[in-house]
Amino acid sequence: SQQGEEDPQALSIQEGENATMNCSYKTSINNLQWYRQNSGRGLVHLILIRSNEREKHSGRLRVTLDTSKKSSSLLITASRAADTASYFCATDPNQAGTALIFGKGTTLSVSS
Amino acid sequence: KAGVTQTPRYLIKTRGQQVTLSCSPISGHRSVSWYQQTPGQGLQFLFEYFSETQRNKGNFPGRFSGRQFSNSRSEMNVSTLELGDSALYLCASSTGLATSGELFFGEGSRLTVL
Repeated sequence: SQQGEEDPQALSIQEGENATMNCSYKTSINNLQWYRQNSGRGLVHLILIRSNEREKHSGRLRVTLDTSKKSSSLLITASRAADTASYFCATDPNQAGTALIFGKGTTLSVSS
Repeated sequence: KAGVTQTPRYLIKTRGQQVTLSCSPISGHRSVSWYQQTPGQGLQFLFEYFSETQRNKGNFPGRFSGRQFSNSRSEMNVSTLELGDSALYLCASSTGLATSGELFFGEGSRLTVL
């Protein structure tokens, strides 16, 4: 079953604009990660945020985590055409014997 | 350092056949996880191996199996293929357990079942 659900499913913006993607999940977590996937390729890790953290930055990426609302957001500032990809959140449920669970992703299209 | 290598990259099989996919993790990584990715279901967890032991298994039928060797390389096997098994199969490795940190993914094996 899906733990994380990304919103929106698809997002189209112009170069230079900011892109915001949201992820909601159902159960308590140890950490939440964001990954990027270029069409038909493997996933690339972007950032990991732990349950006791509220915000993390990495270059043009900003991730927030609100455990009370069971949600996270990924902000990409000053988007570039090369940011065109699918973005997935992945949660580590706080339950023994579980695996990293991925949402269905947000497809971002950045046009020049 | 070489990344995660998956072979073969593309393959076509017919219903009823079986297939074996291979994954070589990053050197020093002891955990290998497998995921099935389809447009309808997204990324679905298959199983995770750590030091040759299956740690977790997803909700897939027994036709899906895997193993890990002493050098951490892993294989997964799908027997009696069905049309619905057509998918991108992704392997990911990590230093510790898959849930504890970053996963490094291979480029995937794209399986088409006719």
